[in-house]
Amino acid sequence: GAGVSQSPRYKVAKRGQDVALRCDPISGHVSLFWYQQALGQGPEFLTYFQNEAQLDKSGLPSDRFFAERPEGSVSTLKIQRTQQEDSAVYLCASSPGREYTNYGYTFGSGTRLTVV
Amino acid sequence: GESVGLHLPTLSVQEGDNSIINCAYSNSASDYFIWYKQESGKGPQFIIDIRSNMDKRQGQRVTVLLNKTVKHLSLQIAATQPGDSAVYFCAENIGGNTPLVFGKGTRLSVIA
Repeated sequence: GAGVSQSPRYKVAKRGQDVALRCDPISGHVSLFWYQQALGQGPEFLTYFQNEAQLDKSGLPSDRFFAERPEGSVSTLKIQRTQQEDSAVYLCASSPGREYTNYGYTFGSGTRLTVV
Repeated sequence: GESVGLHLPTLSVQEGDNSIINCAYSNSASDYFIWYKQESGKGPQFIIDIRSNMDKRQGQRVTVLLNKTVKHLSLQIAATQPGDSAVYFCAENIGGNTPLVFGKGTRLSVIA
């Protein structure tokens, strides 16, 4: 597609529920990133994929967070046993290059997760 | 003028005036910087970038200035328009094979 597509746009989860957030990157983009953006804050890095390989997951806040990109295109961010502090906008970005920052990333519009 | 809001500092400017948004970055080893614009309900949008071997770069109506001595980055927007109203983030690459790190952001409010 023309841009990075994320679904759902909004998700309300009860505390303890598992959620799955989807990202469709720009076709052919090698690099894919997940960021978490709390209200009034800048995005914070979660994890990075180069094709299907997850090269960096240093930003994942706990083992409840899991991401995958099995075929090197669509990626899913899964959060198990959601907690209120997981409430945030989850942003996906893709980049054509293999390096982390050789190009500016193209971001999707994000999924706003609210845990009640 | 500038004021501190609930979470974000806010810059209010009159339409047609020039805007200057400032950012203090964290790491003297950072070698690549990007300014992003984020409108409500959207993801960050790339505006302009600059590498550490430059101190100024110009785009269409925007200029980024880099002062490595004091670790300061600024974004200048000429003839600010209502469509420029958004939150602006600076992001830095802290050297090596690492992801972009974003600052806290500044809200620009354009008064028509």
